[in-house]
Amino acid sequence: DQQVKQNSPSLSVQEGRISILNCDYTNSMFDYFLWYKKYPAEGPTFLISISSIKDKNEDGRFTVFLNKSAKHLSLHIVPSQPGDSAVYFCAAIRGTGNQFYFGTGTSLTVIP
Amino acid sequence: GAGVSQTPSNKVTEKGKYVELRCDPISGHTALYWYRQSLGQGPEFLIYFQGTGAADDSGLPNDRFFAVRPEGSVSTLKIQRTERGDSAVYLCASSFRDRGDTQYFGPGTRLTVL
Repeated sequence: DQQVKQNSPSLSVQEGRISILNCDYTNSMFDYFLWYKKYPAEGPTFLISISSIKDKNEDGRFTVFLNKSAKHLSLHIVPSQPGDSAVYFCAAIRGTGNQFYFGTGTSLTVIP
Repeated sequence: GAGVSQTPSNKVTEKGKYVELRCDPISGHTALYWYRQSLGQGPEFLIYFQGTGAADDSGLPNDRFFAVRPEGSVSTLKIQRTERGDSAVYLCASSFRDRGDTQYFGPGTRLTVL
């Protein structure tokens, strides 16, 4: 079963505006969450992460928000740039486990 | 420095054949992961190595899949009696020590089973 879900397969945003990518999870044991960015023919690249003890983590234009009660996290990109166009995956891991669970990805297109 | 490399980049084989996929992690990284990504899906965990040993192989789908890392560096994913459903991109990632460290992914090997 899919424990990490990204329900929007694609998203288009104008350059300069905010991009919001969403992710939901079902396993309450997850305690660490990550976002990866993937360009075609390349492997995913780590973008930003958040521990379950926090509700927000910011790195430059990228901010991740975690709502544990709703089992929901989101990635905000402000301002969006054409180079941000890629597929974004959220991932989660639990406790002392070693398995990273990935969502199905959201393809972001930033329109110049 | 060099990133994670994977060879071959593409592999086409026939149903029933044996294939080996290679991963060269970043030098000094003790943790190594294999994932499988099918079309329209996210990476799916297969196996995790810490050093030479498989610390977690619970993601391997069946006994046709096997992976080794004999010297704690290069890893080989081996698939016996390939099936069409094995067609996917196989990704390798390494990190410095363990799950708390950033994973660096290779570009993947695209396996096509005809």
